[in-house]
Amino acid sequence: GQNIDQPTEMTATEGAIVQINCTYQTSGFNGLFWYQQHAGEAPTFLSYNVLDGLEEKGRFSSFLSRSKGYSYLLLKELQMKDSASYLCAVRPVTGGGNKLTFGTGTQLKVEL
Amino acid sequence: EADIYQTPRYLVIGTGKKITLECSQTMGHDKMYWYQQDPGMELHLIHYSYGVNSTEKGDLSSESTVSRIRTEHFPLTLESARPSHTSQYLCASSLQGSGANVLTFGAGSRLTVL
Repeated sequence: GQNIDQPTEMTATEGAIVQINCTYQTSGFNGLFWYQQHAGEAPTFLSYNVLDGLEEKGRFSSFLSRSKGYSYLLLKELQMKDSASYLCAVRPVTGGGNKLTFGTGTQLKVEL
Repeated sequence: EADIYQTPRYLVIGTGKKITLECSQTMGHDKMYWYQQDPGMELHLIHYSYGVNSTEKGDLSSESTVSRIRTEHFPLTLESARPSHTSQYLCASSLQGSGANVLTFGAGSRLTVL
């Protein structure tokens, strides 16, 4: 079966750094994705990790440890517009194709 | 700029009505998907397609049906809507092949069945 865990809510201050964790237990692994979803809008792609290590993309970085079933999304220099839900998703090897299993998302609130 | 379009964005209907949620993409993607998302909950895959005339059921059982007659079009139909079908329905597409194959999502169709 598939199981993805991430915190339900987080609050951080504008200009600060926040780390959103995700742990997963899936039947096979072929990549981990992070998506951002603003209220009432479509999820948009942020990052992709398939090998261990850190992927950096501007203010956003994502880390993966396959042996620990663990990933985090790091957001630096937080801005008010970063207030959104952050979805962790895993692509299992079994089942094939590009089907993703999503976590429930972490609702991030950025305050002044 | 949206490359994947869903209509209607919002729909309120009565029990027993037949509805079709439309999804079209202009990116030439072979793979298309329907996800269902309740407020505060994870996205659940209900249908997917790897190309024309290919449709499969997803991980979450759904009473809806889909068709893929054209590459760009992947409509979802509920023959007889019930209040339990109230949810947000998100359409997505991606390329074939290896690599990231990022999903591009539509803006969603929020369905309320009274």
